[in-house]
Formats: sequence, structure tokens, C-alpha cells
Amino acid sequence: NAGVTQTPKFRILKIGQSMTLQCTQDMNHNYMYWYRQDPGMGLKLIYYSVGAGITDKGEVPNGYNVSRSTTEDFPLRLELAAPSQTSVYFCASSYGGGNSPLHFGNGTRLTVT
Amino acid sequence: AQRVTQPEKLLSVFKGAPVELKCNYSYSGSPELFWYVQYSRQRLQLLLRHISRESIKGFTADLNKGETSFHLKKPFAQEEDSAMYYCALVISSGSARQLTFGSGTQLTVLP
Repeated sequence: NAGVTQTPKFRILKIGQSMTLQCTQDMNHNYMYWYRQDPGMGLKLIYYSVGAGITDKGEVPNGYNVSRSTTEDFPLRLELAAPSQTSVYFCASSYGGGNSPLHFGNGTRLTVT
Repeated sequence: AQRVTQPEKLLSVFKGAPVELKCNYSYSGSPELFWYVQYSRQRLQLLLRHISRESIKGFTADLNKGETSFHLKKPFAQEEDSAMYYCALVISSGSARQLTFGSGTQLTVLP
């Protein structure tokens, strides 16, 4: 099993550009999450989804959008990139919510200049 | 507010020495806590959860509700334990229960 796959691994954007971070999982998990990790900080939840067609905001949703058209995919969209969005982004999935263990992708390192 | 605090960003110990990674939490409900670990060039993964009361790779963690702590301990550290460790707390928000993470502790075990 591939588990959770994120693409790309690295990306540099100019201010104002847009991009989509891809995330797919092959474990048939209902729950999927996007976190960002800034240097010296913990992971902060951006958006999450409890199933196909359902998404909800996390702690830091501003500047991002998500969709969940299938169980497998949970892309994260940045419409107008800003330097404050320079971070490492992690996608994760779990079978259930709460105390179900999270399975993480390898992360995407994004730099906005 | 629900919060997880890991007071040490960096922690170094010698091989064979005991190690304790501190985690304190703030939560009004009944806490559910986890430790996640990220080894070099690997993805973040679950190490252990308090409800299982398990020992993984020699690590244990006991929930102390009086001190609101969930410290991670190992009696004899090994070089392969060097990694980034995150404490995480389940919180209820909206339609789902989510994890909130501490800022992490980078453990280095010296030879």
C-alpha cells in the first residue's frame, strides 16, 4: 500500500500565484486532514473532511480551499499565495475521527517569495 | 482553550541514559492523548496512545490528570531514538474530533 501520497514535494511560488497541493490515500479512510507546520511550531489544522462531499474548517483556514469529491482525494488549493503561507504542509487520513491513528504523507515544502 | 505544550524544543541525552520528553495539556473534558514521532527522512507516525497503556520501542507515557501531563519516558535511550516527537490531544470541534499538536521536541541521543 502506498498509504498517503502528497505531491509535489517542493514548490516555490511567487506572491499572488495559485497552486493545488495534491493528496491521495488508498486505505479507504473516511477522514482526511491538511496541516501546516511552521518552523518551531506545532502542526496546525487547516481543513478536514469526514467523508466525500463534506469539508470543514480547522484552526487556520484563511487563504485556502479544499474539496473532497472522492474518498481517495483531498486537494488543498491556494488561490493568491502570500509569504505567510510559506510552510510545510502535511496531509493525513484516518479511518475514524478522534482516537483513530493518523497516517501522514511525506509533506510538501512550499516557499512563497 | 485546548492546548498542548512541549516546553523543550531540543533535548540531548547520552546512549543508555534515561530520557523524558515533557508534555502538558489544557483541556476541559476527558483528555485523549497521543505521541507521534518523525524519524529522519520518514513520515510522521503514531508512537503510542494513552488509552492503550502500551509500551512501544521501550517508551511509555502515563496520563497524570492532576498535573495535566503526559510525559514520554524511556529508561535507556538508544541512538535510533533520535527523532522529532510530538504530543497530541484529541479535541471535539464541529462535526469531528480532531488532534491538536504540541510544537515538538527534537531528541538527540549521543553515542
